[in-house]
Amino acid sequence: GAVVSQHPSRVICKSGTSVKIECRSLDFQATTMFWYRQFPKKSLMLMATSNEGSKATYEQGVEKDKFLINHASLTLSTLTVTSAHPEDSSFYICSATGLGAGTEAFFGQGTRLTVV
Amino acid sequence: AQSVTQPDIHITVSEGASLELRCNYSYGATPYLFWYVQSPGQGLQLLLKYFSGDTLVQGIKGFEAEFKRSQSSFNLRKPSVHWSDAAEYFCAVGAHGFNKFYFGSGTKLNVKP
Repeated sequence: GAVVSQHPSRVICKSGTSVKIECRSLDFQATTMFWYRQFPKKSLMLMATSNEGSKATYEQGVEKDKFLINHASLTLSTLTVTSAHPEDSSFYICSATGLGAGTEAFFGQGTRLTVV
Repeated sequence: AQSVTQPDIHITVSEGASLELRCNYSYGATPYLFWYVQSPGQGLQLLLKYFSGDTLVQGIKGFEAEFKRSQSSFNLRKPSVHWSDAAEYFCAVGAHGFNKFYFGSGTKLNVKP
């Protein structure tokens, strides 16, 4: 199947700093990418959907100025957590679908963000 | 409103025993249904999916699921569980075009030796 690579897998940052998470489709053109947040012992919560070359569509309650999403190419989307706080600590997962991905979305390995 | 319910938070089964994980959904259109598995600290791996046709679908690792429209269910089954199946399982419903995925809260499977 198609491969989605997410980087980094783990990151620790200080409060107030920003951190960028990358999501790459390695062997297909990801026309649409999704960003999820997973709270401990909870399900995945869709944060936003981005289409290549367009602004991301954020779910209700997600701060678009805090979670900046860029999908500038067909193989790369980035999520930047700005001015991170401890409550932003979570597991973030991206998924992608598009040309060459068939009839499903493929998920990255996830990024464990810890804000100290 | 769209939603996915997995009523069992934790399930423990003995190795070699059969397994059924429940999933009920609420969706306004024809649903595309999925089961994913997540190992600790990892991303999600697709086990199987249902779009149309035969309501019993086969997936990887010996898993199968049956779509029952009348019950709005898509339960996951495996006839004989292996210790390596211990993980968290998520049921999801997707819209046509995959512009949305809605996940259930997950069921954590423990396997006793």
